This record gives sequence, C-alpha cells and structure tokens, in this order.
Amino acid sequence: GESVGLHLPTLSVQEGDNSIINCAYSNSASDYFIWYKQESGKGPQFIIDIRSNMDKRQGQRVTVLLNKTVKHLSLQIAATQPGDSAVYFCAENRKSGAGSYQLTFGKGTKLSVIP
Amino acid sequence: KAGVTQTPRYLIKTRGQQVTLSCSPISGHRSVSWYQQTPGQGLQFLFEYFSETQRNKGNFPGRFSGRQFSNSRSEMNVSTLELGDSALYLCASSLEDSGAEAFFGQGTRLTVV
Repeated sequence: GESVGLHLPTLSVQEGDNSIINCAYSNSASDYFIWYKQESGKGPQFIIDIRSNMDKRQGQRVTVLLNKTVKHLSLQIAATQPGDSAVYFCAENRKSGAGSYQLTFGKGTKLSVIP
Repeated sequence: KAGVTQTPRYLIKTRGQQVTLSCSPISGHRSVSWYQQTPGQGLQFLFEYFSETQRNKGNFPGRFSGRQFSNSRSEMNVSTLELGDSALYLCASSLEDSGAEAFFGQGTRLTVV
C-alpha cells in the first residue's frame, strides 16, 4: 500500500544529546520527503526536505538521511534543546496526475527533551 | 511577511449544521491545500486549489468542499456536520505549485457536539 509510517510514537532524550527520529515509507516511487515539527497549538512547521537523488541533507542542527534501498528516512537533531520538544512528522510530497502535489504524513513521533 | 492566517481559531457547532473555514495564504502564494488532523487518523489531505481551480481531492465525502478566490484566499465548507468531523483543520500555502515548500497556518479547531 502507499503509506508513510513512524517506527516509534514517543522519544525522550536528555538535553544536549542527539535525537534520531525514524520513518519508513512503502512507495518505492516516492521521490520527495519533508520533515515537519508541530508544537502544541500550532500548525506543522517545515524543518528540512530531501529528494530521492540525495542520500543526506544537512540544515542547522538537523540532518536528514534517506535510504532508498530499505525505504527509510531519519531526522537527526544535534544537541537537542528543550525548544525541540514537539511532534515530528515525516511526509511524502507526491505529485498527482493533475499537476498538483499532496502531502502524505506519517503518524508522528513525540519528542520530549529532559532538562 | 505575514504567515498563513486561518480564521476562526476555534469553533463549536452542532451536529447537522454546516461550517465555513477561511484561509489567507502568504502573499504571492497561489497554491492552497487543506488538511484534517485527528488523533486517530493523523494528518489527512482534503483538497488543493491553484488559481481558483481544485486540482486534487483526497478521500473525503462530498460534504467537504472548498473554493479559492482570485486573491488566492480559500474557504472550506463542511455540511451536515457529524461528531467525527471534530478535528483541527489546517491550511497550507506554497508558491507556484504545492510541490514547493508548504507553509501551514495554525489551524481551526472544530468541535462538533
């Protein structure tokens, strides 16, 4: 089937440690993935994206890794801070036949940072 | 630059009523998409509009509809509300097409009683 799912629903990390959030997808034709962060009471916020012609992409304190062989991607957050506490979603941005795109989201992982 | 604005932020409606939600995209963005977020189903795609035309629609019943105006502002309507329609409704806008980075509003929390 076509789905994007998360391995773990919750993740607790100590402040200053690195966090790794995983995501699996099932559609081998998927070619564009996005990670979003959603804080309580807010809409999802774009963190970083990656296309299938890349294995790795780095942003500020975040790295996304894409393994097309096993259809898996991960979000790594370096030196996790209390402000990183949120729910993280991976999403596939898939093009439809009408030239439109739609985001298919995973269920989300709740990251809690322990001070 | 103002972000995506959704109104109202909170809404309480009774079963059987209808509701209209509004979304103002970021200035210059022409693609507007709507999503429903519930604890059980997560974030699900409703529909996408570009230049006043619906280009894509998710797997929702016909009670869910929308439109986009010439200034790119969008509305979605839900008729004959059911308890299961209680959710956070999110609007996202992007530049020329929704393949680009999508920016979300804070959402409208709809409660159906």
